[in-house]
Amino acid sequence: KQEVTQIPAALSVPEGENLVLNCSFTDSAIYNLQWFRQDPGKGLTSLLLIQSSQREQTSGRLNASLDKSSGRSTLYIAASQPGDSATYLCAVSHGNKLVFGAGTILRVKS
Amino acid sequence: GAGVSQSPSNKVTEKGKDVELRCDPISGHTALYWYRQRLGQGLEFLIYFQGNSAPDKSGLPSDRFSAERTGESVSTLTIQRTQQEDSAVYLCASRSSGGASETQYFGPGTRLLVL
Repeated sequence: KQEVTQIPAALSVPEGENLVLNCSFTDSAIYNLQWFRQDPGKGLTSLLLIQSSQREQTSGRLNASLDKSSGRSTLYIAASQPGDSATYLCAVSHGNKLVFGAGTILRVKS
Repeated sequence: GAGVSQSPSNKVTEKGKDVELRCDPISGHTALYWYRQRLGQGLEFLIYFQGNSAPDKSGLPSDRFSAERTGESVSTLTIQRTQQEDSAVYLCASRSSGGASETQYFGPGTRLLVL
């Protein structure tokens, strides 16, 4: 059974700091790994998708890496802003479905 | 273009009543998913539809839960005889026919509260 774990569960940083969110998964048989953002009372927004054959993806201030063999991914956020405050969810594509971690709640203080 | 839409956005019901939740996927998307998110937790897979194939119901928590999809369009998730533990956000997602390597697009969810 695929299990996804995210560390830390919550993180509070001052504006401008660089930060790293961690995700680990138990079964390396994945099609891809995605990082999502969830704002309170809203749905999920896909931030980055890394195919199983890729090592990393970048979008603006975000960089996600994937080490499939060790079952790990990181999401790096550079120069954090208050608008980055949200819950960040990691999900792996396992079979026909996505298996999600419980998320990291990020607060960026101005 | 239009994204995934869900209705109602919020639903309050009494224990024991039946509820029906609706999802309108992105036009042309052949795959449709339902997930449940309990307070403070990640998303749990419920059910997956792909075209005319038999749905993957492996995530449905009990026989009180069922879902249907009309062709490649609207889907409804029905919860019969609701219980307080059914209170959660129910999220729908759709995906194009490109396979499991493609991203899923999520709707805003339906917040269900069972009193």
